[in-house]
Amino acid sequence: KAGVTQTPRYLIKTRGQQVTLSCSPISGHRSVSWYQQTPGQGLQFLFEYFSETQRNKGNFPGRFSGRQFSNSRSEMNVSTLELGDSALYLCASSWDRGNQYFGPGTRLTVT
Amino acid sequence: AQTVTQSQPEMSVQEAETVTLSCTYDTSENNYYLFWYKQPPSRQMILVIRQEAYKQQNATENRFSVNFQKAAKSFSLKISDSQLGDTAMYFCALPTSGGSNYKLTFGKGTLLTVNP
Repeated sequence: KAGVTQTPRYLIKTRGQQVTLSCSPISGHRSVSWYQQTPGQGLQFLFEYFSETQRNKGNFPGRFSGRQFSNSRSEMNVSTLELGDSALYLCASSWDRGNQYFGPGTRLTVT
Repeated sequence: AQTVTQSQPEMSVQEAETVTLSCTYDTSENNYYLFWYKQPPSRQMILVIRQEAYKQQNATENRFSVNFQKAAKSFSLKISDSQLGDTAMYFCALPTSGGSNYKLTFGKGTLLTVNP
């Protein structure tokens, strides 16, 4: 099976812009979770989607949002970007709250 | 709240030797899993090993094994016959289970360097 894929791999944006990141889970996996990784805060949970519904959300401002499509692909959106949003964004998929398998991540740089 | 603590920010080991990475955690749940993930410089997070809390037998995956002490809430990772490709950040992770609050809680990580 193909692994979790994330696009784009690298992104440079300017403060105030918005960005959309995409994640395609492993075939058959219905749960998709998103994490933000920074040197200072480590790995922090953003949200989890299952069957197109958000099941859980981490402690992030409303500028961070996401959705999941009927084919389980997921997108996350960050609006009004701030310098502090620069991070590695990781997507993970699982069948249903079992082992989570991660994608390669999207490196977002906000200037 | 669940917490995961990795007290060793960095470690190094010589190739072919054995190294143990430490992890302690806190949870109010009785049945849970624990994971070790590896993140090499390429950034891809790779699942190394999983332990079910209800199993007394320690999990083993080739050169990787765990020492799971449920009462002490300790979950260490032993890497035998270390290889250069083992150089990576290692994260201990604890999932919540059940309910609507499922997520992985990660430790801060241990940077392991394998020296030739």
